[in-house]
Amino acid sequence: EVQLVESGGGLVQPGRSLRLSCAASGFKFDDPGMHWVRQVPGKGPEWVSGISWDSVNIGYAESVKGRFTVSRDNAKNSLYLQMNSLRPEDTALYYCVKQKQGGVGYFDYWGQGSLVTVSS
Amino acid sequence: EIVMTQSPATLSASPGERATLSCRASQSVDTKLAWYQQKPGQAPRLLIYGASTRATGIPARFSGSGSGTEFTLTITSLQSEDFAVYYCQQYSYWRTFGQGTKVEVK
Repeated sequence: EVQLVESGGGLVQPGRSLRLSCAASGFKFDDPGMHWVRQVPGKGPEWVSGISWDSVNIGYAESVKGRFTVSRDNAKNSLYLQMNSLRPEDTALYYCVKQKQGGVGYFDYWGQGSLVTVSS
Repeated sequence: EIVMTQSPATLSASPGERATLSCRASQSVDTKLAWYQQKPGQAPRLLIYGASTRATGIPARFSGSGSGTEFTLTITSLQSEDFAVYYCQQYSYWRTFGQGTKVEVK
């Protein structure tokens, strides 16, 4: 059974940093691309960042480019999101998301999310 | 960035009725288009990929069509469990989602 478990969320002041982690199990982690998607309650999902299986291809939404850094450790079956210079508009539920294996781009499994609140 | 636009924002329908949801891309995404269903308190669930292929376990009443910039999700006979929010997503260039269509009980 595929499981994606996020951790590291919480309340943080504007301008500070936070690091999210995602522990993956139930599939061969070093195959699919992995992504972070965030969602403000009552709004649609927003893709934040994605990383290929080999960490060669990395992408970011314009809203987080230069502030967020995605990484993965295939030996530890883990995905990370380092979030710096946080803003109130970064407040959201952050999902760890698995891409379909084999280089296909749609998302087939989602975690339950980690809530990040940016407020003074 | 490829912008995805969904319409309508809200669709009111009765159980048993047909629902047609639309999604438009700001530039061609070929058939690299997925549909997701989301219910309150849950993560989105994959319904359709490749514009028209149902994901594992998705009932046949859900169908997708389209290519390029215009796409449609059709639910032929709404069941009580289908009242939810639906999002389209392109995966031609990185990823973007539409803003969603809420299917509510009339």
